[in-house]
Amino acid sequence: AQSVTQLGSHVSVSEGALVLLRCNYSSSVPPYLFWYVQYPNQGLQLLLKYTSAATLVKGINGFEAEFKKSETSFHLTKPSAHMSDAAEYFCAVTGGATNKLIFGTGTLLAVQP
Amino acid sequence: SQTIHQWPATLVQPVGSPLSLECTVEGTSNPNLYWYRQAAGRGLQLLFYSVGIGQISSEVPQNLSASRPQDRQFILSSKKLLLSDSGFYLCAWSPPSGLNEKLFFGSGTQLSVL
Repeated sequence: AQSVTQLGSHVSVSEGALVLLRCNYSSSVPPYLFWYVQYPNQGLQLLLKYTSAATLVKGINGFEAEFKKSETSFHLTKPSAHMSDAAEYFCAVTGGATNKLIFGTGTLLAVQP
Repeated sequence: SQTIHQWPATLVQPVGSPLSLECTVEGTSNPNLYWYRQAAGRGLQLLFYSVGIGQISSEVPQNLSASRPQDRQFILSSKKLLLSDSGFYLCAWSPPSGLNEKLFFGSGTQLSVL
């Protein structure tokens, strides 16, 4: 069975500050890991994905995430937050013989001016 | 290019009424199709997925059912809605070949059961 845990349902940062959104996973097979973003009143968009290549993955809008097997983590970071980054972020895992994504509960990011 | 259409965008239904949400994909053949639900304060939960016409896998026991009458059409239904069926429903598709491809999501349906 696979699962992801996102620590912190709400995160607030100041504009220009570091963004760190935490995700820990559990998987009995080598995982593929994803971060999705949902902007207000929009559907989900893929930010980045880890598929067993480089452990540091760069995504859109300046986000990146590092796969750490020893810590079973895939935290999302951005060096400098922008007001437009305010959204809900979902970590997801899949693996094995199916394509089913298992999502975390989401983290709502607020960016203060 | 591929597109996914999901409707309606919002729906308010009384308890006990039937439900039908439709999702169609254009520009691809034999996609994998998915229904997810996002309940308030909770994450995205996979409800159903389908790898072909008439092939439906249910992930959680519930009051809902899914059907795939055509290759690029995926329908979410209920005979009698419950209050707990309220939530944000997302349809998604992924390419038929290869594993762990990313999902492409529709714009969602906000369902309120009153």
